[in-house]
Parts: sequence; structure tokens; C-alpha cells
Amino acid sequence: SQQGEEDPQALSIQEGENATMNCSYKTSINNLQWYRQNSGRGLVHLILIRSNEREKHSGRLRVTLDTSKKSSSLLITASRAADTASYFCAPMDSSYKLIFGSGTRLLVRP
Amino acid sequence: DAMVIQNPRYQVTQFGKPVTLSCSQTLNHNVMYWYQQKSSQAPKLLFHYYDKDFNNEADTPDNFQSRRPNTSFCFLDIRSPGLGDAAMYLCATSSNTGLGDTQYFGPGTRLTVL
Repeated sequence: SQQGEEDPQALSIQEGENATMNCSYKTSINNLQWYRQNSGRGLVHLILIRSNEREKHSGRLRVTLDTSKKSSSLLITASRAADTASYFCAPMDSSYKLIFGSGTRLLVRP
Repeated sequence: DAMVIQNPRYQVTQFGKPVTLSCSQTLNHNVMYWYQQKSSQAPKLLFHYYDKDFNNEADTPDNFQSRRPNTSFCFLDIRSPGLGDAAMYLCATSSNTGLGDTQYFGPGTRLTVL
């Protein structure tokens, strides 16, 4: 069964705007990771947040984690057309497996 | 550059004809994974190797097998591909500090079954 569920399924924004994607999961986790996938390509790791962390930053990315609500969010600030991709959250469960959600398809319009 | 390589990038096979997909890595990671990803769906873990230790997911069909002859290479064998096996197959690796680390993905092999 899927662990991570992203919301929204699709998001279209103008270049320069911020994009926020949310993720919910079901069981306890070791960490939660976000990946990006360009159309028809492999996944690229963006950021990992551990279960004892609440917020993490990497460049224009900001990830939050609320273990009490079993949810995470990914914020991309000042979006660029090159950010157009699918974004997946992947909670890592107690058996150290990544369980991917179906992803959010982000379109950044120039 | 250290990386995960998958060959071929595109594979076409006939219904029922065995096919092998390959993955190699220059990262010297001891964990290797195979995922199946169907269109607009989540990547689904099929199995993984921790060193030579093979770990199959409970819901992975018997039609799917894997081999890891050495640290660098891992193969996915589909014994009798069906139309429902058409998908992107992703190989990934992670480091020897354990399974709790970042996974590094190859570009994938897109399999078409005619």
C-alpha cells in the first residue's frame, strides 16, 4: 500500500511564484525524503528530513515535517520554468524501505 | 562521475519472451534496488540486494527475478512478460551506512511489451 500521498496531484503556477506540495503518510517513519522526476527520467534526491527534525532548508527548497499529523510539505520558492517536474515524497518506514506516493506534477509557466 | 547506469534505456519485447534489464553503478554502494513505475503512478519496490543478500517484496510476482553477480552490477529478469509489465524500471543504490540513506537512481529503462 502507498505510504506517501501527495496533494495536490497537479499544480500550475507562474514563474517566480512559490509552489507548495503536501504529503501525508500512515505509519511511523525513520525519515522522509523528497525526490524530483523529470518526464520519462529517473528520480533525483532533493532533501531528507529525519523524524526528529521539524524543518530543513536546501537552496530554494524548504521542507517541514509534523510527525504528530503524519504530514510533510515541500516549498519551492521563486519557481523557475526548469522546476517543472513531478515531485514525490517518500517516507522511509521502520524496515528502511522508501514508499513513494503518486507525486505532484508541477508546471511552472514562463 | 560516479553514477548509476541502466541499459538499455528503451526495451521492446514480445509477449512471453524473456527479457533482461541491466544496472551498473560506480558509487560502490552495497545496496541496490529495482522499482517498477507505471505511467503516472508511484515507483513500486520489487526487490533489493543488501550486499549479496536478496530481499523480495511480498507482492512481487514470481515472473520477476534478479541477479547480482558483483557489487557493481544488478540484473532484472522478466521470465514471461505480459502486457501489464510494460512500465519504467528504475534501478537505485544506497550507501553502506544502512538502508536509511538517500537513494541514487539511474535514468530508467522503459519496457514495451507487444
